[in-house]
Amino acid sequence: DAKTTQPPSMDCAEGRAANLPCNHSTISGNEYVYWYRQIHSQGPQYIIHGLKNNETNEMASLIITEDRKSSTLILPHATLRDTAVYYCIVRVAYGQTGANNLFFGTGTRLTVIP
Amino acid sequence: EAQVTQNPRYLITVTGKKLTVTCSQNMNHEYMSWYRQDPGLGLRQIYYSMNVEVTDKGDVPEGYKVSRKEKRNFPLILESPSPNQTSLYFCASSLRSGATNTEAFFGQGTRLTVV
Repeated sequence: DAKTTQPPSMDCAEGRAANLPCNHSTISGNEYVYWYRQIHSQGPQYIIHGLKNNETNEMASLIITEDRKSSTLILPHATLRDTAVYYCIVRVAYGQTGANNLFFGTGTRLTVIP
Repeated sequence: EAQVTQNPRYLITVTGKKLTVTCSQNMNHEYMSWYRQDPGLGLRQIYYSMNVEVTDKGDVPEGYKVSRKEKRNFPLILESPSPNQTSLYFCASSLRSGATNTEAFFGQGTRLTVV
């Protein structure tokens, strides 16, 4: 699975959009970009995933560059409850390989400031 | 409500005393796995199971056992716990499928301390 690079920490004002970048320059054609978050030692929570098109759901938007070497997770109106560590993971579709191992790395610690 | 339930949430035990951490999911998922999380090391996979009676080692299996006798349950067994197994443990499950519906659901974690 391709490695990812994320900034270790970011701050965002409450109510503003939080834009979390992720570099994955070695991504392969069949690898997806997944985002999870972990709120203070709770179990990681799935946010969104995509292959090459931009995706949006009730939690966030995912913007993937045309060359697929980087992506941005957007939380449109950050709240204090969005303070968490955000993980960008690149791998083949979860469920298509035996191990289903999600390599979480160290992620980005997002702090939403009142 | 779809969920993955781990028990216990917190456990303090002594070296060498066998223990089991239970994990149960109510989503009829085929895949289940165990992770441990340690400061600076992220989450590392211990064991996984693709279906009933099918289990395999992850990245850090030493000192652990698992079983998958029923689809919904995937207990983690520490036959002789040691202090280096002090960690935060997570169980996860997911459907076996293609590109859609491929999220993993995680339990709330079990914080284990071995003294």
